[in-house]
Amino acid sequence: DSGVTQTPKHLITATGQRVTLRCSPRSGDLSVYWYQQSLDQGLQFLIHYYNGEERAKGNILERFSAQQFPDLHSELNLSSLELGDSALYFCASSELTWTDTQYFGPGTRLTVL
Amino acid sequence: ELKVEQNPLFLSMQEGKNYTIYCNYSTTSDRLYWYRQDPGKSLESLFVLLSNGAVKQEGRLMASLDTKARLSTLHITAAVHDLSATYFCAVASYSGAGSYQLTFGKGTKLSVIP
Repeated sequence: DSGVTQTPKHLITATGQRVTLRCSPRSGDLSVYWYQQSLDQGLQFLIHYYNGEERAKGNILERFSAQQFPDLHSELNLSSLELGDSALYFCASSELTWTDTQYFGPGTRLTVL
Repeated sequence: ELKVEQNPLFLSMQEGKNYTIYCNYSTTSDRLYWYRQDPGKSLESLFVLLSNGAVKQEGRLMASLDTKARLSTLHITAAVHDLSATYFCAVASYSGAGSYQLTFGKGTKLSVIP
């Protein structure tokens, strides 16, 4: 158990809908990262937040947004969902920055029908 | 655009043997990460390599980084079945204003056969 929690574990929704994925980092970790894993695209880095501020942006679509709250939990919002958004979404946390070891949550499996 | 190539993509090896997984990347970077993923599971961070010549070891796994050759290797010594997993490398590239992008290789699926 990494100490990183993600909810929900599974999510099934329809095209055009909007969903929110939630991540709680390990206690004391200030950085949260989001990743997407799909058969088509492989593993992709989406975004990194440090202590509430966006620090790096990867291959995150404009339909997707994220934020990190004062209690350090993070949410990834996916809107106008398309079939191709079906994937595993992982979050990870680290103590300070991206040079630290990252600890991954169990993931949220999103299925868009 | 940074490209990251891992090879081999599939590796079947016998217990007790040694082997190396290679991770080549296309642009300058001095930050490279190795991850492990078991089937149906999440990712586990194995190594963070932060400078040229960095070498890190954990158990039967040793990772190294040669930034001049744009190459990282993950060496497996005396493989055991528990090492069967998919191994990913990821390379960081700076995208300006203190920001960065992380690009993953396609992964190497390792099967260790008794």
